[in-house]
Formats: sequence, structure tokens, C-alpha cells
Amino acid sequence: DGGITQSPKYLFRKEGQNVTLSCEQNLNHDAMYWYRQDPGQGLRLIYYSQIVNDFQKGDIAEGYSVSREKKESFPLTVTSAQKNPTAFYLCASSIDAGTSYEQYFGPGTRLTVT
Amino acid sequence: QQPVQSPQAVILREGEDAVINCSSSKALYSVHWYRQKHGEAPVFLMILLKGGEQKGHEKISASFNEKKQQSSLYLTASQLSYSGTYFCGTEKGSARQLTFGSGTQLTVLP
Repeated sequence: DGGITQSPKYLFRKEGQNVTLSCEQNLNHDAMYWYRQDPGQGLRLIYYSQIVNDFQKGDIAEGYSVSREKKESFPLTVTSAQKNPTAFYLCASSIDAGTSYEQYFGPGTRLTVT
Repeated sequence: QQPVQSPQAVILREGEDAVINCSSSKALYSVHWYRQKHGEAPVFLMILLKGGEQKGHEKISASFNEKKQQSSLYLTASQLSYSGTYFCGTEKGSARQLTFGSGTQLTVLP
């Protein structure tokens, strides 16, 4: 079955540590996205990538970094520079970038930093 | 700028209808609708494009008023499975990315 996988589902880290969240898709989609969701809030875009080896900052990129070395993979690193990293992180993909295409979401990773 | 959704929350009985609105202060090219159940990933419902094209579920309908920069999602004869938080996403200029509203929490009671 095609889909998006994110791992792990829950992640706990100490303040000051970098942490990398995994996102893999086997849908053969060109575009991939990372969103952050805080309780009772909508989705805020962190980074997105239209093609391999290319990515753009979203609305809240500070304190985060990404890479897109393979079409299937779009890992997100939450660095120690991110002041409030505790949140629910969602990865998504679409056939192509642009708002004419639906986005498919992964199950999410809930990150807790103490 | 984030689109504004209304109402923030709605409770209804099975079989009743509901309307969720999404408005923007900027011209819209497209509007996406997603539903998210607690602790799960959002699921695509519908896209409405400038010019009238729609893609989405047959049992859920929506409208897109380009002049008023508004979209409405119509849920008719609600089922228990309709419960969840509904988000609209609007295109942010020409950056080919979506900006999501803060959501409308819909609860359907038996």
C-alpha cells in the first residue's frame, strides 16, 4: 500500500539536543511538506520541497533544518535553536507543488522536549 | 495571512446539517478542506479552484465565492463519523503553499 510513514510516533528529548524526525513516502510524489501543529491550532508550514535537492522555507522555519537527497525522504531536524519545540509534527506530500493538488499526510510525530 | 474559520465549534445531532465557513482577506486561487480526528493526520476532503473546478468527496459539498474571498463546507445529514476538526487551507500568493485556518471542531452526537 502506498502512503507516508513517520517515525517515531512519540519522541522525547532533553532541551539543548538536536532531534531528527523521519518522513518517507512511496507515492512517487514530487512535493513534500513539514507542518507543525500546536494544541487547538491549525497547521503551520515549516519547510517544503518541490524536487530533490531543493527546498524552501515556510512560515516558521527558524530553528529547523531539512534535506531532500532522495525523492522518497524528507527528514526534519529540530535544532536546539528552536525555542518551543514541543509540538505535533506532520509530514505531507503531493503529486506536485502547487495548490491544485491534494496533500496526503503521514500519521505524525509528537515531540516532547523537557 | 491566516484564513478565518467560523464557527470555532459546533455540536449537532446525527442527521442534522452544518455549514463551516472560511474567509480570507486576500484574493483566493484555491481553497482546500481537510478533516482531522483527534491525534490523527488530516484527511483530504475537497479542493475548490478559481473558475469553479472542484475535486473531492461526493457526499460533501462546498462553495467558493471568489469575489467575497470565502468558502463554505456543507455537511448534510451528519453521521457520527463526521466528528472531527475541519481545516480550510488557502493559497498564499504565488508561493504555491497553503495557509491553514485554526479549525472548526465538529461534534456529532447520537
